[in-house]
Amino acid sequence: DADVTQTPRNRITKTGKRIMLECSQTKGHDRMYWYRQDPGLGLRLIYYSFDVKDINKGEISDGYSVSRQAQAKFSLSLESAIPNQTALYFCATSDRDRGGTNYGYTFGSGTRLTVV
Amino acid sequence: KNEVEQSPQNLTAQEGEFITINCSYSVGISALHWLQQHPGGGIVSLFMLSSGKKKHGRLIATINIQEKHSSLHITASHPRDSAVYICAVRSAGSNYKLTFGKGTLLTVNP
Repeated sequence: DADVTQTPRNRITKTGKRIMLECSQTKGHDRMYWYRQDPGLGLRLIYYSFDVKDINKGEISDGYSVSRQAQAKFSLSLESAIPNQTALYFCATSDRDRGGTNYGYTFGSGTRLTVV
Repeated sequence: KNEVEQSPQNLTAQEGEFITINCSYSVGISALHWLQQHPGGGIVSLFMLSSGKKKHGRLIATINIQEKHSSLHITASHPRDSAVYICAVRSAGSNYKLTFGKGTLLTVNP
């Protein structure tokens, strides 16, 4: 099984529908992130969570919400999907800093979302 | 101006060639990441470095903190190396924020 699992892998939904993208991890990492990737742009941070009780907005959080159900699970919701939310979405995890040591990131395989 | 600039945007090589992808950044950083994204979307972390040089197989990553520049080298390139390579920096003073480059699309022809 992958360290970071995203479901679904692909989804087509209609404008105005609510949709949830799910992410689960077996890395045991405290930190989880949701990113969005659009053609010609770098990945952009939507939301991040340092632990179950700590959730923060990223640079493009409007139109999205998240839920950290457990250390291992972090879901992204689009309350009312719109076409410009069509993108590739990535979940990622990282460990918390331990004495100043930097740790790497682990990414999921991505969810390709199309809003029609 | 983007905080992280990669060059070239696209690169086509013949199998066996030595490849260099460059990344320049404008902010102080605590770490720089090189990522690989294959067609089909998944992202894999290749390197994380804050100084010097790291090597893994045919891949080598270097960073010059003073010049705010990093390079990713691929020796003896192979068609399976075809992918998008992404540079990302973690800002100094931030314990989470990554800023990503737009990526370099590498195509290695047999």
